[in-house]
Amino acid sequence: DGGITQSPKYLFRKEGQNVTLSCEQNLNHDAMYWYRQDPGQGLRLIYYSQIVNDFQKGDIAEGYSVSREKKESFPLTVTSAQKNPTAFYLCASGRRNRGSPTEAFFGQGTRLTVV
Amino acid sequence: AQTVTQSQPEMSVQEAETVTLSCTYDTSENNYYLFWYKQPPSRQMILVIRQEAYKQQNATENRFSVNFQKAAKSFSLKISDSQLGDTAMYFCAFMRFSGTASKLTFGTGTRLQVTL
Repeated sequence: DGGITQSPKYLFRKEGQNVTLSCEQNLNHDAMYWYRQDPGQGLRLIYYSQIVNDFQKGDIAEGYSVSREKKESFPLTVTSAQKNPTAFYLCASGRRNRGSPTEAFFGQGTRLTVV
Repeated sequence: AQTVTQSQPEMSVQEAETVTLSCTYDTSENNYYLFWYKQPPSRQMILVIRQEAYKQQNATENRFSVNFQKAAKSFSLKISDSQLGDTAMYFCAFMRFSGTASKLTFGTGTRLQVTL
């Protein structure tokens, strides 16, 4: 089935460790996005990518890094520099219609907890 | 930079009634998309409805419709005949109509509770 797969669903990390969240899509979408969701703050954009080997910082990129080596994959690394990494992380991908982006489709999210 | 504002943190409606969720946005762009997403307790984000800014006609999807006022930069969602399954967080979102580097920006959400 076509869709966006995020793994793992739950992730625990010790302070000072880097951790990588996986996001894979088989929808042949060009655009991919990473969002962070905290209570009362909606979704905040971390990074986004429109094509392979290219990505842009979103509104809260500090302490995070990404790569886009393949169209299907857009992993997010939460580094030890991220001061408050405990949150729910959502990955999304978007298609184009006549060259312009349209709506985004979301994965089921990863809940990251720092212990 | 684009901003999206949802001024109603929580709302409640009785089953079978109609409710309207508000959203305003700020942009200097002329071409863009607006969306309403639903996030039920499962936390899966589900697209409810989409509106292209260049279209004057308001979008409609079954019980869901929007009131798009481009000059006022307002984009409200009306849910008719509310059902218990409509209970969720609802997010308004903005995407500019650009061929490259298009950001999708969300509001802070409105929690909707449908009651018996």
